[in-house]
Amino acid sequence: NAGVTQTPKFQVLKTGQSMTLQCAQDMNHNSMYWYRQDPGMGLRLIYYSASEGTTDKGEVPNGYNVSRLNKREFSLRLESAAPSQTSVYFCASRRGGASTGELFFGEGSRLTVL
Amino acid sequence: TQLLEQSPQFLSIQEGENLTVYCNSSSVFSSLQWYRQEPGEGPVLLVTVVTGGEVKKLKRLTFQFGDARKDSSLHITAAQPGDTGLYLCAGSKNTGGFKTIFGAGTRLFVKA
Repeated sequence: NAGVTQTPKFQVLKTGQSMTLQCAQDMNHNSMYWYRQDPGMGLRLIYYSASEGTTDKGEVPNGYNVSRLNKREFSLRLESAAPSQTSVYFCASRRGGASTGELFFGEGSRLTVL
Repeated sequence: TQLLEQSPQFLSIQEGENLTVYCNSSSVFSSLQWYRQEPGEGPVLLVTVVTGGEVKKLKRLTFQFGDARKDSSLHITAAQPGDTGLYLCAGSKNTGGFKTIFGAGTRLFVKA
C-alpha cells in the first residue's frame, strides 16, 4: 500500500531557483495538506485543500503556491526559493469527511536552499 | 506563533517513570489529536478526542480533552524506551475544510 507518496525526498536549491514538490495519495481522500517542519517548531500548515478544486492558506503561505491537480495529487511550488525555506516538507491526506479523520503523512521531502 | 502550546518541549526520564505532556490553547477546537513521530518519518495518529472532558486510554497512555475543548494532556505510565519519540498535538475545527494546526511537540527520551 503506497498511501501518501512525496517526490523528491531530497533537494538542494540555490537562492532564487524554483521547484515543485509533488504529492499523491491513493486512499481516495478528499482533504490534503502541506506542512513544513523546522527544528523546535513542530509542523506548520502552509496550504490545504478540502476537496478537488479548492485550496486555502494555512499559517505560513508566503512564498508558496499550490495546485490541487485532481483528487489524488496536491503539489507545492516554490517560485523563488529563499534560505528561510530550508525545511522538511510533509504532505498529508485526511480520511473521512470530518475534522476527526486521521491524517496520513508522507515520508517528507528535505529541502535545502543555499 | 504556535496557537497550540505544548509543554515541556523536552523530557528525558528513566524507564518506569510516569510523565504528563500538556497541550494548551486559547482557541476552542472541534477535535484534538495526538500524533507520534519517529526520526525520518511522518507523524502517526495515536488518538482523537472530540468531547469536552473525554478520557481515552491506549495501553499505558491516557489522553484527556479539557472541559472547554481548549486543552489536552497525555499521560504515560511506566514509560519504556520504546516510547521515545516526538509527541505532537493537533487541533482542528469543523469549518473551512478542516484546517488542522500542530503544536511544537514534546521530544521524549526514555533511558533504559
